[in-house]
Amino acid sequence: GAVVSQHPSWVICKSGTSVKIECRSLDFQATTMFWYRQFPKQSLMLMATSNEGSKATYEQGVEKDKFLINHASLTLSTLTVTSAHPEDSSFYICSGRPGLAGGGALYEQFFGPGTRLTVL
Amino acid sequence: AQSVTQPDIHITVSEGASLELRCNYSYGATPYLFWYVQSPGQGLQLLLKYFSGDTLVQGIKGFEAEFKRSQSSFNLRKPSVHWSDAAEYFCAVGAYSGAGSYQLTFGKGTKLSVIP
Repeated sequence: GAVVSQHPSWVICKSGTSVKIECRSLDFQATTMFWYRQFPKQSLMLMATSNEGSKATYEQGVEKDKFLINHASLTLSTLTVTSAHPEDSSFYICSGRPGLAGGGALYEQFFGPGTRLTVL
Repeated sequence: AQSVTQPDIHITVSEGASLELRCNYSYGATPYLFWYVQSPGQGLQLLLKYFSGDTLVQGIKGFEAEFKRSQSSFNLRKPSVHWSDAAEYFCAVGAYSGAGSYQLTFGKGTKLSVIP
């Protein structure tokens, strides 16, 4: 199956600093990428959807100025948590969807391994 | 808007026993249905999916699921559980949101423990 990588796997930062998480589709072109947040022992909550070359669409309640998403190419999306605070500590997971334009099934998503963010 | 309910938060079975994880969905049209498995600290791995056609779908690792439209269910089954199946299982429905974008909505997950 298609492979999605995330970097870093885990990161610890001080409160007030910014952290960038990369999501890469390694063997397919992801026309759409999704970012999810998962709290301990809870489900995945969609944060935002981004299409290559377009601004991300954020879900209700997600601060777009705090969680900056860039999808500059068909294989790379980044999530930057700006001025991170302890409440931003979470497990962040990205996924990529090839879509018909990308040669894949429209409704399939491939998930990355996740990034554990801890803000001290 | 679509929603997914996984009624069982935690299930414990003995190794070799059969397994059924329940999933109910709410969506106005025929949804695209998925089951994912997540090991601790890991991302999600797709077990199987249903788009259309045969309502009994086979997945990886010996799992299968049956789509029952009349019950709005998509239960996951495995005839004989292995200790390595211990993980968190998520049911998801793919559908178009009110804003016109396609997205996955996940259930809260069912944690599976396996007794040796």
